[in-house]
Amino acid sequence: DGGITQSPKYLFRKEGQNVTLSCEQNLNHDAMYWYRQDPGQGLRLIYYSQIVNDFQKGDIAEGYSVSREKKESFPLTVTSAQKNPTAFYLCASSIGGGAGTDTQYFGPGTRLTVL
Amino acid sequence: GENVEQHPSTLSVQEGDSAVIKCTYSDSASNYFPWYKQELGKRPQLIIDIRSNVGEKKDQRIAVTLNKTAKHFSLHITETQPEDSAVYFCAADSFSGGGADGLTFGKGTHLIIQP
Repeated sequence: DGGITQSPKYLFRKEGQNVTLSCEQNLNHDAMYWYRQDPGQGLRLIYYSQIVNDFQKGDIAEGYSVSREKKESFPLTVTSAQKNPTAFYLCASSIGGGAGTDTQYFGPGTRLTVL
Repeated sequence: GENVEQHPSTLSVQEGDSAVIKCTYSDSASNYFPWYKQELGKRPQLIIDIRSNVGEKKDQRIAVTLNKTAKHFSLHITETQPEDSAVYFCAADSFSGGGADGLTFGKGTHLIIQP
């Protein structure tokens, strides 16, 4: 999991602003994921991508957008439409490319706070 | 979609005793069940996982059991140590079409090891 990086570590946003969280991996993984974690809660899936130029909505995609133009990068934009964006955001990647589920490795996370 | 329930939410045990955390899932198509350990402010780290063709898996002091008929799986930690104190999450995969859709997580168990 040392091959997955997220930036910034802390991010502060004013209400009404869009912000983009970075996720990069050098593991040559096909699949990448974004999760959101709220205090005392498990992780919830926002978006995932099994291959370059393709991505799918997860359980809580409303108010978020993603792109997957490069294999190693999967940025997440938190838009002003997201009503409660303050949370810890975690990116993950896995080998992918098959019909089964591979081990997911997580980045260090970005803590987003809306002021 | 998949639903994962995890119990208990908090577990306090004496150092040296065993700890057991239990999870149930709803989707009979799930076949991959990882367990993650998360320390405060850090990323989740995979500690053990099991696939549906196996009933039990062990790695030193950690073991996981799976009952596919009953749709539940458990984490067992023996000879607990202070460094085992953390939040533990169970998860199950979910499928639609030809590929995995990411993981559905339980809400976590805060394990406290009393000296």
